[in-house]
Amino acid sequence: DGGITQSPKYLFRKEGQNVTLSCEQNLNHDAMYWYRQDPGQGLRLIYYSQIVNDFQKGDIAEGYSVSREKKESFPLTVTSAQKNPTAFYLCASSTLQGIEAFFGQGTRLTVV
Amino acid sequence: RKEVEQDPGPFNVPEGATVAFNCTYSNSASQSFFWYRQDCRKEPKLLMSVYSSGNEDGRFTAQLNRASQYISLLIRDSKLSDSATYLCVVNGRGGSYIPTFGRGTSLIVHP
Repeated sequence: DGGITQSPKYLFRKEGQNVTLSCEQNLNHDAMYWYRQDPGQGLRLIYYSQIVNDFQKGDIAEGYSVSREKKESFPLTVTSAQKNPTAFYLCASSTLQGIEAFFGQGTRLTVV
Repeated sequence: RKEVEQDPGPFNVPEGATVAFNCTYSNSASQSFFWYRQDCRKEPKLLMSVYSSGNEDGRFTAQLNRASQYISLLIRDSKLSDSATYLCVVNGRGGSYIPTFGRGTSLIVHP
C-alpha cells in the first residue's frame, strides 16, 4: 500500500540532545513538508522540499534542520537550539501541483 | 494578519443540526483550497476540495468566494461522529503549492 510513514510515534528527549524524526513516503511525491502542531493550534510549517537535495525554510525553521538525499525520505532533526521542542510533529507529501497533502501519523516529541 | 484565519470555536451542536464554518485567507494569489478533518491526537485527513463552483459530498458542502477571499463548509444533519477539528487549508504561497493551515474549528456534536 502507498503511504507516508513517520517514526517513532512517541519520542522522549533530554534537554540539550538532538533527535531525528523519520519520514518516508512511497507515493512518488516530489514535495515533502514538516509541520509542528501545539495543543489547540494549527499546523505551522517548519521546512519543505520540492526536489531532491533542495529544501526551503518555512515559518518556524529556527532550531530545526532537514535533509533530502532521496526522494522518498525527508528526516527532521530537532536540535538543542530549539527552545521549546515539545510538540506534535507531522510530515506530509504531495505532488508539486498540490492537489492533496497526505500525512504521516505524526511523532509526539516530549522533552524531559 | 494571519494567512488563513478560522474561528476556533468550539461549535457545540445537537445531533441533526446544520452547522457552518468559515475561513478567510489573505493571499489573493492562492491556487487551491481544501477542508481537512483532524481527530484528537491524529493526523489531518482530507475531507474535501473546494472549487469556485462549489462542491457537495453527501451531507457536506464547500464553497469558495474568491472576491471576498473566504471558504465555507456546511455540514447538514450532524452526526456524533462528525465531532472533530476542521482545518481550512490554502495552497499557493510565493508561486509554490505549499499547504498553509488555519488553526482549525472544533465541532462537538452532542446527543
